[in-house]
Amino acid sequence: GNSVTQMEGPVTLSEEAFLTINCTYTATGYPSLFWYVQYPGEGLQLLLKATKADDKGSNKGFEATYRKETTSFHLEKGSVQVSDSAVYFCALETQGGSEKLVFGKGTKLTVNP
Amino acid sequence: GAVVSQHPSRVICKSGTSVKIECRSLDFQATTMFWYRQFPKQSLMLMATSNEGSKATYEQGVEKDKFLINHASLTLSTLTVTSAHPEDSSFYICSARHAHAGNTIYFGEGSWLTVV
Repeated sequence: GNSVTQMEGPVTLSEEAFLTINCTYTATGYPSLFWYVQYPGEGLQLLLKATKADDKGSNKGFEATYRKETTSFHLEKGSVQVSDSAVYFCALETQGGSEKLVFGKGTKLTVNP
Repeated sequence: GAVVSQHPSRVICKSGTSVKIECRSLDFQATTMFWYRQFPKQSLMLMATSNEGSKATYEQGVEKDKFLINHASLTLSTLTVTSAHPEDSSFYICSARHAHAGNTIYFGEGSWLTVV
């Protein structure tokens, strides 16, 4: 079946540090891949996405590249800010309009000033 | 941007009673909404897909008679947990697909249910 595995948290960084949150997936076919972010007290928000191999999604300084050969979609940011503190979820959606998102467990990031 | 709102954000109910959680798309019409359940430190697990004007499609292992889903209008879906049991205590999250915004899925803030 389809599944997403992301690194266990929590992750604690100092401001301006480099961030990597690993995400790997198992899926039949060629899924679309997503990163969602949940700020404290808010709903999940789409951060970025990629729909095919070698695509790079980017938003707010975050990037992730769809790597089919390693079935990965690692999230990176060169310099984190305190305002990036949140829970980050990696997710996939199989092609064909199944409309079903499969999520990883989420990784809590705390950025200290 | 598009907003999806859930109510209540927190609810405590007694075992054996029923509790309803509402999910509203505030500024767009959503023909499809989704209900998820999340246990501490676990993934969001899709419970069912709610389609406006028709019966919900439940995922395998989800009891239809226990988790009643109604999607009576294009902006409202409700999840009713019937005969609640402490094991039903969880974080429930809804989402709605915005067909006129590239099929982007917007999520609600989630609802904490505690059954005592």
